[in-house]
Amino acid sequence: DVKVTQSSRYLVKRTGEKVFLECVQDMDHENMFWYRQDPGLGLRLIYFSYDVKMKEKGDIPEGYSVSREKKERFSLILESASTNQTSMYLCASSSLLGGTGTGTYNEQFFGPGTRLTVL
Amino acid sequence: TQLLEQSPQFLSIQEGENLTVYCNSSSVFSSLQWYRQEPGEGPVLLVTVVTGGEVKKLKRLTFQFGDARKDSSLHITAAQPGDTGLYLCAGLTGANNLFFGTGTRLTVIP
Repeated sequence: DVKVTQSSRYLVKRTGEKVFLECVQDMDHENMFWYRQDPGLGLRLIYFSYDVKMKEKGDIPEGYSVSREKKERFSLILESASTNQTSMYLCASSSLLGGTGTGTYNEQFFGPGTRLTVL
Repeated sequence: TQLLEQSPQFLSIQEGENLTVYCNSSSVFSSLQWYRQEPGEGPVLLVTVVTGGEVKKLKRLTFQFGDARKDSSLHITAAQPGDTGLYLCAGLTGANNLFFGTGTRLTVIP
């Protein structure tokens, strides 16, 4: 059974704290993504990575950074959490056409999400 | 940013009714995906449509890609409570970027 796991389902932090959200996939996928999901706005891409140590900004990267030291792990970092970062955070992975791993090209496999509340 | 608007945003219907969800954009996409997200879970891919005018069926769900590849629809026949969830369309651009729609939250009442 293919899986994307996220380190926490629920997280409560205070304004100004540093927050780490971890994501691990077991499908040998090259691509990994971080989204935030807010009602009425759908999924908005924060950052993505197409290879180890590579990262690209998505639509809303401000206030976030990422780290990909190993192929299976992609971390989202909030350097100084703010209340407007309260949201559901979803991690996803996908394979490349002709690459290794499962799934059809550009099918994204999602983790269960982390609901982050910043007080 | 490619904007994908879904309508309606919320839909509550009785079991057995039919419904259609729309996904519209002013941008052209090379393909379009539909995902369903159930409470407490991440979205799961239902279907990918690639060719303008393409129609795909998945049991009681019918997906259509517009001729101009700017819009799509999802039609559910005889809705069941198990169809309840958030439906998301996602358009893939020529640059292989995937943009998600605003979502339609469907509730099917037994």
